[in-house]
Amino acid sequence: GENVGLHLPTLSVQEGDNSIINCAYSNSASDYFIWYKQESGKGPQFIIDIRSNMDKRQGQRVTVLLNKTVKHLSLQIAATQPGDSAVYFCAERASNYQLIWGAGTKLIIKP
Amino acid sequence: DAMVIQNPRYQVTQFGKPVTLSCSQTLNHNVMYWYQQKSSQAPKLLFHYYDKDFNNEADTPDNFQSRRPNTSFCFLDIRSPGLGDAAMYLCATSPGTFYEQYFGPGTRLTVT
Repeated sequence: GENVGLHLPTLSVQEGDNSIINCAYSNSASDYFIWYKQESGKGPQFIIDIRSNMDKRQGQRVTVLLNKTVKHLSLQIAATQPGDSAVYFCAERASNYQLIWGAGTKLIIKP
Repeated sequence: DAMVIQNPRYQVTQFGKPVTLSCSQTLNHNVMYWYQQKSSQAPKLLFHYYDKDFNNEADTPDNFQSRRPNTSFCFLDIRSPGLGDAAMYLCATSPGTFYEQYFGPGTRLTVT
C-alpha cells in the first residue's frame, strides 16, 4: 500500500550547522511531495513542495531533493537556527489526491 | 492577513457530552479538511469538503460529523466523545486538491 516513512524520529544538530531530514516513500506513482514544519502547540506550516518532474527545489535556507529511483525525499536546512526546532513531516499525494503523511522527525537544535 | 482560524484553541468536554469545534478561513479556498492529531503522531484525515461535496475517510468513526454551511466556515461535531477522542483537531484549507494545505492553529480537546 501507499506509505511514507521517516528514517530518524529525532535529529540533534548544532546551531549553525546544516540539517538533513530524510523520508522514504513507497508509491512510485506519487507525483507531489510536501514538507511541513510543526512547532509545539501549533498547526503544521508549509515549508516547501516538489513535483515528481523535478529533482531539486530551493527555498529560503531550505532545499528539497527528490530521488525517484530509490523513492527518497530529503529536506536540507542551511545554517540551522533555534527557530528551526520543530517536528518535520513529509507527505506525498496519493492517487486519490489526499496527503499521506510520514511519521515525523523531531529536530533539536543544540546551542 | 488571510488565514485559517480555529475556535476555541482549547476545549474541555465531558465523556459523552456533544462538542463542536469550529474553523473559518479568509482564503476563499474551495477545500476544507479536518484532521485529528494525537501526541507524537502525524495528522490523520477525518474528512474534507470540496465546496459542498462531503468526503468521509473510510475509517472515520460515525461519532464524528461535519458541516460546512458556507465557503468560510466548517464545523466538526463529536456526538459522544470518548476518552480516546482527546487530541489536537486541525483544520486546513486548500484552493483545490492539487495544492498545498494551509493549517489553522488547532483545537486541543480534552475529555474528562
